[in-house]
Amino acid sequence: DAGVIQSPRHEVTEMGQEVTLRCKPISGHDYLFWYRQTMMRGLELLIYFNNNVPIDDSGMPEDRFSAKMPNASFSTLKIQPSEPRDSAVYFCASRTPGEAEAFFGQGTRLTVV
Amino acid sequence: QKEVEQNSGPLSVPEGAIASLNCTYSDRGSQSFFWYRQYSGKSPELIMSIYSNGDKEDGRFTAQLNKASQYVSLLIRDSQPSDSATYLCAVNMFKRGSQGNLIFGKGTKLSVKP
Repeated sequence: DAGVIQSPRHEVTEMGQEVTLRCKPISGHDYLFWYRQTMMRGLELLIYFNNNVPIDDSGMPEDRFSAKMPNASFSTLKIQPSEPRDSAVYFCASRTPGEAEAFFGQGTRLTVV
Repeated sequence: QKEVEQNSGPLSVPEGAIASLNCTYSDRGSQSFFWYRQYSGKSPELIMSIYSNGDKEDGRFTAQLNKASQYVSLLIRDSQPSDSATYLCAVNMFKRGSQGNLIFGKGTKLSVKP
């Protein structure tokens, strides 16, 4: 398996624009996590899915953020409209049920100017 | 109290020494604990997991868990310059009726000097 795949790797956008980040989890993993990492706040859990269903979205900072998982092999995180304070590295991770480790994608570095 | 707390460091140790990294967590019901290593500009990668009280050893790494004290630690023996990275403590927490919340501390930056 190629691991967790995220795209794009880098995104630079202007304030107010819509941004869509994409994630393909490892096949067979039914948990999917979206994290945001900044120097100030560390690695924050935004939302996670189990079997394509959002379980806990309490970490989503504002209504400008939304996430979907239409099927077991694809998830998106959308920011609309984007703001400079959204600049961060966004990671997607997946894992199997139970107590197994979570595998991370390479991340998307988002810069909003 | 933050859910998972770590000293941010930096922690500096000489090559060959033991590096000791500590973590405390708030949810007494947590059952699964992980240590991830993150090199600068890279994604986190798992190095240790621990589920029971006591010690778990894997090569130069030893994880220690004390659920009564809500404390997890990672010892790195014979530290190498290649161990220089940020070490993230992660706890699988039971929150708001769900069991899959994998919460991370802010990490401790370790620097191993040759």
